[in-house]
Amino acid sequence: AQSVTQLGSHVSVSEGALVLLRCNYSSSVPPYLFWYVQYPNQGLQLLLKYTSAATLVKGINGFEAEFNKSQTSFHLRKPSVHISDTAEYFCAVSGPGSARQLTFGSGTQLTVLP
Amino acid sequence: DTEVTQTPKHLVMGMTNKKSLKCEQHMGHRAMYWYKQKAKKPPELMFVYSYEKLSINESVPSRFSPECPNSSLLNLHLHALQPEDSALYLCASSRAPLGSGGDYGYTFGSGTRLTVV
Repeated sequence: AQSVTQLGSHVSVSEGALVLLRCNYSSSVPPYLFWYVQYPNQGLQLLLKYTSAATLVKGINGFEAEFNKSQTSFHLRKPSVHISDTAEYFCAVSGPGSARQLTFGSGTQLTVLP
Repeated sequence: DTEVTQTPKHLVMGMTNKKSLKCEQHMGHRAMYWYKQKAKKPPELMFVYSYEKLSINESVPSRFSPECPNSSLLNLHLHALQPEDSALYLCASSRAPLGSGGDYGYTFGSGTRLTVV
């Protein structure tokens, strides 16, 4: 079985600051890892995904994440956040083959302050 | 077309009503999913369709009845719901169905906000 744990249910940062959202995974097989963003009253939008290629993954809107196998982590970061990045962020994991179901972490609410 | 379209966007229904949620994608994806999301919580998987056949039912009450008429459409029929069923219902699709390889992520629709009164 695979799972993800997101540390910190709420993160507040000032506009222009670096933000780091933490995600640790547990998987018995090489996982596929994803970060999704959900703006208020909307569905989920894929930010980026790790699929066993490069360990540093670049996504949309200036976000990036680094896969660290030894620390079983897949933290999301953005060097300079904007107020429009205020949203809920979900880390998710799926396995290959029959374990393809997407399992979400509990989410982190990011608030960017002016 | 790279979208998953869900209708309606909002739905208010009484506990004795019958209604349906609709989801449509034209990306050629062969797996489609229904998720339920309560406020401030992550989405919870309800059903998975793989090649138009129901593959996973996560012990969902029978008052929720999924249907996949063809590879582009997914419906969720609702009957005799309870107020605790009020939530955001999300549809998603992925190129790879269960059991196949690949990294394919899910594409989500914007959801149907359901309120049961």
